[in-house]
Amino acid sequence: EAGVAQSPRYKIIEKRQSVAFWCNPISGHATLYWYQQILGQGPKLLIQFQNNGVVDDSQLPKDRFSAERLKGVDSTLKIQPAKLEDSAVYLCASSLGQLEAFFGQGTRLTVV
Amino acid sequence: KNQVEQSPQSLIILEGKNCTLQCNYTVSPFSNLRWYKQDTGRGPVSLTIMTFSENTKSNGRYTATLDADTKQSSLHITASQLSDSASYICVVTRSGGATNKLIFGTGTLLAVQP
Repeated sequence: EAGVAQSPRYKIIEKRQSVAFWCNPISGHATLYWYQQILGQGPKLLIQFQNNGVVDDSQLPKDRFSAERLKGVDSTLKIQPAKLEDSAVYLCASSLGQLEAFFGQGTRLTVV
Repeated sequence: KNQVEQSPQSLIILEGKNCTLQCNYTVSPFSNLRWYKQDTGRGPVSLTIMTFSENTKSNGRYTATLDADTKQSSLHITASQLSDSASYICVVTRSGGATNKLIFGTGTLLAVQP
């Protein structure tokens, strides 16, 4: 089966600019996660969707980060405006019920 | 507080040697525990997943154990290879009714040297 697809793989932007990441989960997976992974650390959950509804966005910096999941399938994560500390790898994952989560390759964001 | 702690933080071993990575958790209610391997610049890939009733699970040269009473897990790597160099992340799923939450450890960075 096809895995979780993310794009772009890499992105370099200047601080205060905007950026958007895209994720296509595995077909049929109701749960979709966005994680932020800073170098040398474990992934930190930003937002979790169940179909197209948000079930956990407690750690999402809502003043600059936003995410949506159109029709319960694809998802986009946006940062506006970006700060230097947003430099990280942004991972998207999907799962079917309580089974294991499958991760995409991630988008490496560098803010200069 | 729901936490997952891993040790050691980093480890260097020679090719062909065995090693064991540790994971302690305080997550409740517990659903399952997973070990992921994350190569540099790539997303995590699942190695094993264990539920409450499972004590051990193997995937090739990787063997995971789970002691649900003491809330400890270990990942044993046998006859290490250079390609085993990666970060190994322990993830515990916290049950939440219709939705579950993944609690991540910070990972153990393993370097296998020739």
